[in-house]
Amino acid sequence: EDQVTQSPEALRLQEGESSSLNCSYTVSGLRGLFWYRQDPGKGPEFLFTLYSAGEEKEKERLKATLTKKESFLHITAPKPEDSATYLCAVQAPGGGADGLTFGKGTHLIIQP
Amino acid sequence: DVKVTQSSRYLVKRTGEKVFLECVQDMDHENMFWYRQDPGLGLRLIYFSYDVKMKEKGDIPEGYSVSREKKERFSLILESASTNQTSMYLCASSSSVVDTQYFGPGTRLTVL
Repeated sequence: EDQVTQSPEALRLQEGESSSLNCSYTVSGLRGLFWYRQDPGKGPEFLFTLYSAGEEKEKERLKATLTKKESFLHITAPKPEDSATYLCAVQAPGGGADGLTFGKGTHLIIQP
Repeated sequence: DVKVTQSSRYLVKRTGEKVFLECVQDMDHENMFWYRQDPGLGLRLIYFSYDVKMKEKGDIPEGYSVSREKKERFSLILESASTNQTSMYLCASSSSVVDTQYFGPGTRLTVL
């Protein structure tokens, strides 16, 4: 069974304090790994897709990396508006369903 | 920009009622998905569709059905709502099976 584990569950940082969120996964034949941001009461907002180990993508203060067992979302010099829940999801073939398997998310709070 | 809309942001229904949740996407995407999101459980796939009139069960289809009569519209149906179906319902679409899924704003359903 495909599994996705995100850590930490919650993280509180000071504005400007860089850190990383972790997403570890066990899947057979990864098709893609996705990062989303979700604000309270809203739908997930797409951030990045990674397809193969060694791949990296960046967007403003965020950088996502991928290895064969885990992905990291690095956040550099965060601002209060970066506060949100960050979700990691994987897609793998088989099982009759091609939806995403999500982790439970990391709730990130950036304090001014 | 991809736009996925859902018919209601908030919905309150009584036990036993038939409930329709509507989702529309404007990007001519082939695939559409329904998830539910619950605290501590994350997002779980209910049903998905990869073509008009086609549907596949996800991880938790019990108590739900779906309809896709037109490419842009995907409906989730609760035949007889129960209190354990109180949840946030999220619709998503993608242009191919292995591609980024874009989410709507969600419908928070309360069943009394």
